Amino acid sequence: EAQLVESGGGLVKPGGSLRLSCAASGFTFTTARMSWVRQAPGKGLEWVGHIKSKADGGTTAYAAPVKGRFTISRDDSKNTQYLQMDSLKTEDTAVYYCTAGFPYSSSYWGQGTLVTVSS
Amino acid sequence: DIVMTQSPDSLAVSLGERATINCKSSQSVLYSSNNKNYLAWYQQKPGQPPKLLIYWASTRESGVPDRFSGSGSGTDFTLTISSLQAEDVAVYFCQQYYSSPYSFGQGTKLEIK
Repeated sequence: EAQLVESGGGLVKPGGSLRLSCAASGFTFTTARMSWVRQAPGKGLEWVGHIKSKADGGTTAYAAPVKGRFTISRDDSKNTQYLQMDSLKTEDTAVYYCTAGFPYSSSYWGQGTLVTVSS
Repeated sequence: DIVMTQSPDSLAVSLGERATINCKSSQSVLYSSNNKNYLAWYQQKPGQPPKLLIYWASTRESGVPDRFSGSGSGTDFTLTISSLQAEDVAVYFCQQYYSSPYSFGQGTKLEIK
């Protein structure tokens, strides 16, 4: 059974940094396009960005609000995806979901990890 | 960027009746080289992560009941639940994956009348 488990969320002050991890199991991680999607409290879904599989070029793409501040990476040897978040703003407060797609739509979702940016 | 707009924002349907949710993209998400619409539908129940229902606009994900169906092409799409069950109460989102950023619709809240 496919499983994605996010970790690393928590409370951080504006301007601070946080790194989220997403551990994958139950599917062939190396072939998946891995993404992050966030959901602010009581709001809809917002695509944050993705990293393609190495076979597909391994490139990344980001949403405009996070471009230049967030970095997505992957370690295929550990079946893990990361989201490095720098220069955090209060509007980045959300539940962050890790997803896996084959290669486009998000077939698998983690339970999410809450990131709260507040002074 | 492609903007996705769903209608209605909320919907109340009686058990056993048909529910229809619409999704419109600001530009076509039909890729002419393979004739595929790069559109997915997700279901999110309270306190849970979203779940993929439909991809390529009309292909049902494995394990999804056949009362769920997707249709449409180009810029106009529909998710239909043929006979509403109590467990279908949720928020439904469409998403385009034609071009980055892979935008979502604002969501449609489906309730029982």
